[in-house]
Amino acid sequence: DAGVTQSPTHLIKTRGQQVTLRCSPKSGHDTVSWYQQALGQGPQFIFQYYEEEERQRGNFPDRFSGHQFPNYSSELNVNALLLGDSALYLCASSLGVGGANTQYFGPGTRLTVL
Amino acid sequence: QQPVQSPQAVILREGEDAVINCSSSKALYSVHWYRQKHGEAPVFLMILLKGGEQKGHDKISASFNEKKQQSSLYLTASQLSYSGTYFCGTEAGTYKYIFGTGTRLKVLA
Repeated sequence: DAGVTQSPTHLIKTRGQQVTLRCSPKSGHDTVSWYQQALGQGPQFIFQYYEEEERQRGNFPDRFSGHQFPNYSSELNVNALLLGDSALYLCASSLGVGGANTQYFGPGTRLTVL
Repeated sequence: QQPVQSPQAVILREGEDAVINCSSSKALYSVHWYRQKHGEAPVFLMILLKGGEQKGHDKISASFNEKKQQSSLYLTASQLSYSGTYFCGTEAGTYKYIFGTGTRLKVLA
């Protein structure tokens, strides 16, 4: 049973560039949430996707956008990268929406902005 | 409002016990506990859904007091593999999820 997968593993970008991160949920899961985790901090909720729609959003600017595909996989796009966007980006999948559902995390994508 | 965890950090010897607390200023309807090792993704430990509910997972158990808006994670006879950062998580509105401040746990041989 495949778990949550993310690509790429690491990424280096420069300020002002755009980046796309990808996530495939655990088999049987239909909901994907994205988190940003800065070094030494806990994960911060970016948004959650269900039925190809953004259901809820955390305190992140519009530079952060996403998409969910019919096969439940998801992408996170970040435009106009800032140094402060450097972080580990985690994708978590669950069955159904809502915070009470168990989330399983992928290994993350480490983004470095120079 | 981010749930506050205590202690912020704890060092144990193998075989010792530990308690990690998670307190919220808002009503809690469910609490999740995760452990994250350095450089890795958080790993789900358990979820508590009802007030006063307790669950166990091997030598790790947790309680959830809905009225006090608190949850506690109990680590019994700690092992080296228990080292990592522990996070509680809860709902912060519909479809929104928030993690606690984290507790760094180190188990020494």
